[in-house]
Amino acid sequence: EAGVTQSPTHLIKTRGQQATLRCSPISGHTSVYWYQQALGLGLQFLLWYDEGEERNRGNFPPRFSGRQFPNYSSELNVNALELEDSALYLCASSSTSGGDQETQYFGPGTRLLVL
Amino acid sequence: QKEVEQDPGPLSVPEGAIVSLNCTYSNSAFQYFMWYRQYSRKGPELLMYTYSSGNKEDGRFTAQVDKSSKYISLFIRDSQPSDSATYLCARSGAGSYQLTFGKGTKLSVIP
Repeated sequence: EAGVTQSPTHLIKTRGQQATLRCSPISGHTSVYWYQQALGLGLQFLLWYDEGEERNRGNFPPRFSGRQFPNYSSELNVNALELEDSALYLCASSSTSGGDQETQYFGPGTRLLVL
Repeated sequence: QKEVEQDPGPLSVPEGAIVSLNCTYSNSAFQYFMWYRQYSRKGPELLMYTYSSGNKEDGRFTAQVDKSSKYISLFIRDSQPSDSATYLCARSGAGSYQLTFGKGTKLSVIP
């Protein structure tokens, strides 16, 4: 069974630009979560999508946004990039059936560097 | 106070040692607890998942939850160099499914 996939693996942008990151969940999973892992800050929750809807967002500014497509894949957009947005962006997926909602499986991440 | 506290280490042990990794949490509404392992430049990999207090064992790994003291632990027996990684504790629950993580403990197992 294929795991969570993310693209691109690396992304280099300059301040003020926009970045788009993509995630494909495990087949059969309907929930997608985005996390930011910045140096020294640990993993922080960004966004949660389920069945195409945004269910919750973490303590991040509105320039962090995203969406979930009908096939449950997801996109994270970061507008007006700032230097401190440089981080590893991780996507996770989980199933919302069978009482297994809390078990999240992570992709390899997209490493974003803002210059 | 951060919701999940974890000693960042680093922790260095000889091969074959028993490793103890620990986290504390502050919100007693938390229900589910996980341990993830993250190798350098990789995504976190789910190791253990537990709901109730007590122990859960999987091979060389044992997860322990003490809800009365809000303490979670991961024990690794017969540690191997391949166990060298950062170990992240996490919790979910309290009405939401997103995870709150500790900052991770970096473990090195020396051959």
